[in-house]
Amino acid sequence: QKEVEQNSGPLSVPEGAIASLNCTYSDRGSQSFFWYRQYSGKSPELIMFIYSNGDKEDGRFTAQLNKASQYVSLLIRDSQPSDSATYLCAVSSGGSYIPTFGRGTSLIVHP
Amino acid sequence: EAGVTQSPTHLIKTRGQQATLRCSPISGHTSVYWYQQALGLGLQFLLWYDEGEERNRGNFPPRFSGRQFPNYSSELNVNALELEDSALYLCASSLRAVDYGYTFGSGTRLTVV
Repeated sequence: QKEVEQNSGPLSVPEGAIASLNCTYSDRGSQSFFWYRQYSGKSPELIMFIYSNGDKEDGRFTAQLNKASQYVSLLIRDSQPSDSATYLCAVSSGGSYIPTFGRGTSLIVHP
Repeated sequence: EAGVTQSPTHLIKTRGQQATLRCSPISGHTSVYWYQQALGLGLQFLLWYDEGEERNRGNFPPRFSGRQFPNYSSELNVNALELEDSALYLCASSLRAVDYGYTFGSGTRLTVV
């Protein structure tokens, strides 16, 4: 059973701070890692994907992957109230194209 | 470019009835995925269709079925509806054999009463 674990939160950060969201996974054969953002009542939206160990930056977002420790994280710099949403981590093994999703972490950015 | 479109937006059915949900992928995408998101639960994988064939199936009973049409659109059928089938059903599409992540549709909210 492949598992993806996330702290459900809510994680509350002040506006302008760095929000750090974490995700651990059980399958050592996992090769593709994704972060989705889901606003309340809306569908998930892909933010970033990462395949290799290390950091990947896209604007205010940085994904960090450590395969040895089996965790992936998402950093949001200069957090804005509009970043308030649930962030879903998804992990897939090479060739399956069917990721396993975590239950998500609720992020609240307060002014 | 039009995104993934799903219909209907909302659907209310009575227990025991059948529900049909529809999905049109992004132009050029041949793979369609169906997920269920029940309240308080994560996204649960239902079905994957590609090139008209069912490629993978999640841990759901056979009363959850679907198909993909020659134009790559897809429909999800849920027979003998149960109260616990109430959920947001999401469709996603991607280029076949490309693991760059999904583009989701806006979903169909199914309520079984």
